[in-house]
Amino acid sequence: EAQVTQNPRYLITVTGKKLTVTCSQNMNHEYMSWYRQDPGLGLRQIYYSMNVEVTDKGDVPEGYKVSRKEKRNFPLILESPSPNQTSLYFCASSLSVAQPQHFGDGTRLSIL
Amino acid sequence: AQSVAQPEDQVNVAEGNPLTVKCTYSVSGNPYLFWYVQYPNRGLQFLLKYITGDNLVKGSYGFEAEFNKSQTSFHLKKPSALVSDSALYFCAVRGFNNAGNMLTFGGGTRLMVKP
Repeated sequence: EAQVTQNPRYLITVTGKKLTVTCSQNMNHEYMSWYRQDPGLGLRQIYYSMNVEVTDKGDVPEGYKVSRKEKRNFPLILESPSPNQTSLYFCASSLSVAQPQHFGDGTRLSIL
Repeated sequence: AQSVAQPEDQVNVAEGNPLTVKCTYSVSGNPYLFWYVQYPNRGLQFLLKYITGDNLVKGSYGFEAEFNKSQTSFHLKKPSALVSDSALYFCAVRGFNNAGNMLTFGGGTRLMVKP
């Protein structure tokens, strides 16, 4: 089954404790992206990747890092999480930026 | 910079009536336009897209959208709403000539279909 898998689905943690949210897709897609969803703000793009070893900033990259060492994986790293990063996060992938994206089911992060 | 506006936070419609969810955009060059739907506790699902061609685009679950270049709009429509259409809807745009490759989403519109 074609899917985008995110882990964990839920996480409560404390300020400053490094965390990684994993994202994996099994569709051989080149384009991958991370978004955060906040009430009233819709989805805002954090980082995206056009292909392996190619990543770029979206609208709200501050406080986040990503890497794309393999085509299927695109982890999101919060080196020193802060409460304003409490949000619902989505990973998505597509054949290209012009094609429809497949979304994971989301990761709800709470940073105390 | 490109942007998307969904002017209504919520749209209420009775089952069986037609529905419209509005979207306007601002982008350099020709746009790629998308509609997605989100059900509770799930990721977004693709409904339809416009890249080029006919201004009226048909998508999943009986939805369609009309691209209007002069009004820079891409409103989502359905002739007869179902209670099961109740969800959160997002419009998104990518600028064709944009030097970057970002996708920009609107703030979302909650559709409530009442029996």
